[in-house]
Amino acid sequence: QSALTQPPSASGSPGQSVTISCTGTINDIGTYDYVSWYQQHPGKAPKLIIFGVTERPSGVPDRFSGSKSGNTASLTVSGLQAEDEADYFCSSYAGGHDKVFGTGTKVTVL
Amino acid sequence: EVQLVESGGALVQPGESLRLSCVGPDFILGGSWMGWVRQAPGRGLEWVAHIPPDGREKYYVDSVKGRFTISRDNAQNSLFLQLDSLRVEDTAVYYCVTDRGFGAVDNWGQGTLVTVSP
Repeated sequence: QSALTQPPSASGSPGQSVTISCTGTINDIGTYDYVSWYQQHPGKAPKLIIFGVTERPSGVPDRFSGSKSGNTASLTVSGLQAEDEADYFCSSYAGGHDKVFGTGTKVTVL
Repeated sequence: EVQLVESGGALVQPGESLRLSCVGPDFILGGSWMGWVRQAPGRGLEWVAHIPPDGREKYYVDSVKGRFTISRDNAQNSLFLQLDSLRVEDTAVYYCVTDRGFGAVDNWGQGTLVTVSP
């Protein structure tokens, strides 16, 4: 199972929005509504911020939102804040017991 | 958030073995799918292995099949990963995780570093 494709980097100024794409195939994102997104600050463990394409765990600000179209999922961070600067990873269920992560995107707040 | 605590990471030579351990609250470990996710230095995340609540089945990424063994002891609220025949490319931080379903990892340990170097 190949990793999902994400852009290496994305950036935005405070208060702006940034959208990160996550491209898979018909075998994962294209078939299953089980896309998750994780935020990882340097030296820390990842944190779940979106699951089931659009759902936010308790405590995650509504500035974070997810969507999906075809084989591509997206994470949008609205009203960028300094603490949003981090690495972001997507993942998708791929049938059976297969699960795959994305390549990761580094978000910089300018 | 649930606190998962890993231990057992170390610097070893190729071909050697390690055993990673993870402990957590019984109300989570006993009823959850659990697994290990690794992250090589400066790289992305990779599922290594996962196991259902009853421990009867075990699933591995192809690159570790036959070398790593995942197990759990619900009575001890513990998850384990036996790493045998280690390779340089196994060098990574290994995270103990719980899976709320279909790959959504809702709890992560702090990670334990495994370094394989000649």
